[in-house]
Amino acid sequence: NAGVTQTPKFRILKIGQSMTLQCTQDMNHNYMYWYRQDPGMGLKLIYYSVGAGITDKGEVPNGYNVSRSTTEDFPLRLELAAPSQTSVYFCASSYSTGLNQFFGPGTRLTVL
Amino acid sequence: DQQVKQNSPSLSVQEGRISILNCDYTNSMFDYFLWYKKYPAEGPTFLISISSIKDKNEDGRFTVFLNKSAKHLSLHIVPSQPGDSAVYFCAASAVTSGTYKYIFGTGTRLKVLA
Repeated sequence: NAGVTQTPKFRILKIGQSMTLQCTQDMNHNYMYWYRQDPGMGLKLIYYSVGAGITDKGEVPNGYNVSRSTTEDFPLRLELAAPSQTSVYFCASSYSTGLNQFFGPGTRLTVL
Repeated sequence: DQQVKQNSPSLSVQEGRISILNCDYTNSMFDYFLWYKKYPAEGPTFLISISSIKDKNEDGRFTVFLNKSAKHLSLHIVPSQPGDSAVYFCAASAVTSGTYKYIFGTGTRLKVLA
């Protein structure tokens, strides 16, 4: 039981490049979330999903896209990377809303 | 506008003593609160939660207190151990369109001195 896994662990992008951050959970959780954490700040919700095929915006969705084609996977797409997207990205999942979320180890992204 | 505030960026405590971490919030609609612990290079891990219908919840060495009138919650760790050294985040949420969305504080770095 791996829990929530994220790839890659680290990535450096040039301005304007695109990439997809992968997130997979093996706990059969319905809810999945993407957060970003900037230095000295709390986690901010980017997007979330309440089940396969259903996604919605969080607090800071601009510059990102998501999809949820399966229960297990919730990839986060950056289309045109900007320096403001330099952050640590965490994926999380929970069985239901309101319950504690299980987090992945994070992806550290730097945009130069 | 910071809806969830952890005003102490860091805290040092001697091993065996009590650690008290504080969290204030501004939104009176928040009705569910969580505490997470985070070690470097890892994701946050859930510690303890409290619903707004309670004023206290205990789990082993960890106790969370909620004062709704003051919009304040605190996490007590007794006794503190060196392994408790980590960053602690509080998070608060209210149901919006049927889903709880959490707002996180900026974290307090706890150092437990042996």
